Amino acid sequence: EDKVVQSPLSLVVHEGDTVTLNCSYEVTNFRSLLWYKQEKKAPTFLFMLTSSGIEKKSGRLSSILDKKELSSILNITATQTGDSAIYLCAGAPGSNTGKLIFGQGTTLQVKP
Amino acid sequence: EAGVAQSPRYKIIEKRQSVAFWCNPISGHATLYWYQQILGQGPKLLIQFQNNGVVDDSQLPKDRFSAERLKGVDSTLKIQPAKLEDSAVYLCASSRVDTQYFGPGTRLTVL
Repeated sequence: EDKVVQSPLSLVVHEGDTVTLNCSYEVTNFRSLLWYKQEKKAPTFLFMLTSSGIEKKSGRLSSILDKKELSSILNITATQTGDSAIYLCAGAPGSNTGKLIFGQGTTLQVKP
Repeated sequence: EAGVAQSPRYKIIEKRQSVAFWCNPISGHATLYWYQQILGQGPKLLIQFQNNGVVDDSQLPKDRFSAERLKGVDSTLKIQPAKLEDSAVYLCASSRVDTQYFGPGTRLTVL
């Protein structure tokens, strides 16, 4: 059965700290791994990592895919209170174009 | 570009009642998804449409849940009758290729 596991489940840091969120996946015929940020209700897309694109960066956020360890990390540097959210990791199996298997999410709280 | 639209945003019903949610995807997106997200968990796929055909409904509780996308554009998800454990946020998403874009969701509370 396809499975995505995230850790830690929750994290509290102070503004300016650097955080690393972890995601491990067991996905049939793995095609890609996606990271989303969820504030209030709607998840918003952050990154997609594939075998041909294992590292992505946007501003203070960056993500790396480790194909050997079947895992990914999401780094946030110089955290701000606006980074407080649930961060979701999702694996895409090759058997179904479009289907995503989500992890349970990591709740990040950034204190002033 | 307009995002995924959903309505209503909130709904409170009593158990055994029925409820329906509506979703309008991003224009040109052939694939539409309905997810259920229970508090503290990640979204779980209920059903995936490609145009007006069902691609995956393996996790849809078909005894009480139904969904349709008759003209290959907007979609409705229905629950009848609702149970307490159906309390969740129901998210609709659409995609052209790989990246899914989510709507604001409907928070359902079943009393």
